[in-house]
Amino acid sequence: DQQVKQNSPSLSVQEGRISILNCDYTNSMFDYFLWYKKYPAEGPTFLISISSIKDKNEDGRFTVFLNKSAKHLSLHIVPSQPGDSAVYFCAASAHGSARQLTFGSGTQLTVLP
Amino acid sequence: EPEVTQTPSHQVTQMGQEVILRCVPISNHLYFYWYRQILGQKVEFLVSFYNNEISEKSEIFDDQFSVERPDGSNFTLKIRSTKLEDSAMYFCASMFRSDETQYFGPGTRLLVL
Repeated sequence: DQQVKQNSPSLSVQEGRISILNCDYTNSMFDYFLWYKKYPAEGPTFLISISSIKDKNEDGRFTVFLNKSAKHLSLHIVPSQPGDSAVYFCAASAHGSARQLTFGSGTQLTVLP
Repeated sequence: EPEVTQTPSHQVTQMGQEVILRCVPISNHLYFYWYRQILGQKVEFLVSFYNNEISEKSEIFDDQFSVERPDGSNFTLKIRSTKLEDSAMYFCASMFRSDETQYFGPGTRLLVL
């Protein structure tokens, strides 16, 4: 079951530069998308979300873009900081369901000082 | 800031034993979830709970699993007869209302020997 895909298992970025993490989905019923950050042996920490009625949502250094026609979303972090180094998960839920989340496989972001 | 808590943080058990994983969701939240992550794999949905009953469950959530909200604060996951393949991180999550964000606990690492 690959309804949510993160095709890049890892990404390295220099401190101060932009990090772009990508996510693709296949289920047309998904209408709410979230990004979580996760450290080893901890639970996912919510970062930012976007509803399908929008194409962009910003919160400080984090911006999520949604391209519904391409079934693609991306998370931009700018400027990247060493403390941003973690695994980032994309997740999606569908209206009419119990809002259970379907997760991608994650991207390990490393921000180099 | 309110947070989801989980106990124990680690649990080691013998195959065939019963385990109960405990969660205290955020106090005004109405929707409750269990997810698990087997080492090296995606975070997977197990079950959702709303209005004192299961609202959705995955194929993983078979007769060996049960959930309960025994009082106004706790939310538990019971595995009746553990198998080796139940070894995973188990995450509890809660949400205030539908169309909002799920907040995760720190997880319980379950090891079945």
